[in-house]
Amino acid sequence: EDQVTQSPEALRLQEGESSSLNCSYTVSGLRGLFWYRQDPGKGPEFLFTLYSAGEEKEKERLKATLTKKESFLHITAPKPEDSATYLCAVVSGGYNKLIFGAGTRLAVHP
Amino acid sequence: EPEVTQTPSHQVTQMGQEVILRCVPISNHLYFYWYRQILGQKVEFLVSFYNNEISEKSEIFDDQFSVERPDGSNFTLKIRSTKLEDSAMYFCASRDPAGHNYGYTFGSGTRLTVV
Repeated sequence: EDQVTQSPEALRLQEGESSSLNCSYTVSGLRGLFWYRQDPGKGPEFLFTLYSAGEEKEKERLKATLTKKESFLHITAPKPEDSATYLCAVVSGGYNKLIFGAGTRLAVHP
Repeated sequence: EPEVTQTPSHQVTQMGQEVILRCVPISNHLYFYWYRQILGQKVEFLVSFYNNEISEKSEIFDDQFSVERPDGSNFTLKIRSTKLEDSAMYFCASRDPAGHNYGYTFGSGTRLTVV
């Protein structure tokens, strides 16, 4: 069964304090790993898709990397506006549904 | 940028009542999905819909749930007799396989509260 596990559950950072979020996955044949940002009461907002081990993508202060078993979301010099829940998901099944992890709640304090 | 639109944003209903959650997917997308997120829990897959029929459903999607694409633009999720445990955020998503991010776009959700 395809699974996604994210750690830590919650992370508190000072503004400017860089860190990484982890997403471990088990899937039969990776067809895509997604990172989303979710603000309270809102839908998932797309950040990145990664397809193969070794791939990296960047957007502003965020960088996503992928290995054969896990993905990392690196946050460099975060700002309070980066506070959100970050979700990881993998594509699963013949009709390409997404299997989500439980997310990491990030709080960045000034 | 094209959006997936969901209405209403919040619905309160009495237990046992029927509710219909509405979604307008992106117009050229071919695959449609419903997910739900109970407060504090994971986003969970409910159902996928392609070519005017259900292509896959989860064990959550029992006989109380149904989906329709009645007019070629709207995509609806109906819950026939709501239960307290149906209280959740319901997200619609549509997908274009040729899209740059695997084509997945989520709506902003409907918060369903069953009292």
